[in-house]
Amino acid sequence: DAGVIQSPRHEVTEMGQEVTLRCKPISGHNSLFWYRQTMMRGLELLIYFNNNVPIDDSGMPEDRFSAKMPNASFSTLKIQPSEPRDSAVYFCASSFPAGRTDTQYFGPGTRLTVL
Amino acid sequence: DAKTTQPTSMDCAEGRAANLPCNHSTISGNEYVYWYRQIHSQGPQYIIHGLKNNETNEMASLIITEDRKSSTLILPHATLRDTAVYYCIVRDLYNQGGKLIFGQGTELSVKP
Repeated sequence: DAGVIQSPRHEVTEMGQEVTLRCKPISGHNSLFWYRQTMMRGLELLIYFNNNVPIDDSGMPEDRFSAKMPNASFSTLKIQPSEPRDSAVYFCASSFPAGRTDTQYFGPGTRLTVL
Repeated sequence: DAKTTQPTSMDCAEGRAANLPCNHSTISGNEYVYWYRQIHSQGPQYIIHGLKNNETNEMASLIITEDRKSSTLILPHATLRDTAVYYCIVRDLYNQGGKLIFGQGTELSVKP
């Protein structure tokens, strides 16, 4: 089992550029989550999908952020235009509900630096 | 906002049991207690969860008080690889869906 796959692992870009982060969930999982981690705010949920449909995007900071899940095996998080305050580690997680509980499995993260 | 309170940091000697407390005094009847940990530079890792009974798996044990207002995660024989930030999370699967709301966690340092 390859686990959740994220790419790239590291991204350095300049302010104003478009950034696209990618995630491949674990095969068979039907929920996908995007989190962001910074020193100041800790780990925070940005958006999550269930069966490819966005369920809760209340954590998305602003219109510069968008997320898509075109199929069950792929999701993107896009920032356009990027700003230095977007610098963070972005984690993707997936889960498959098992009865009344489910376990989220996290990817290794993408470390984004916006100069 | 996180509904849990944890000590900021703890130390534990290698080979000894690590007991990590968590206070969740406002927990409601349908909320579960989840524990995750995050080793430096890695994604969070699921450890264990429970509703009201004590739980044990290959990684740890979870002891939940009878009134459910607090719990303790026990790593029976801590190793250096258990050094990580440990997050206690109260989770309402019905009203919050799949959300995990992370607090600041406890930074556990296992020392030789």
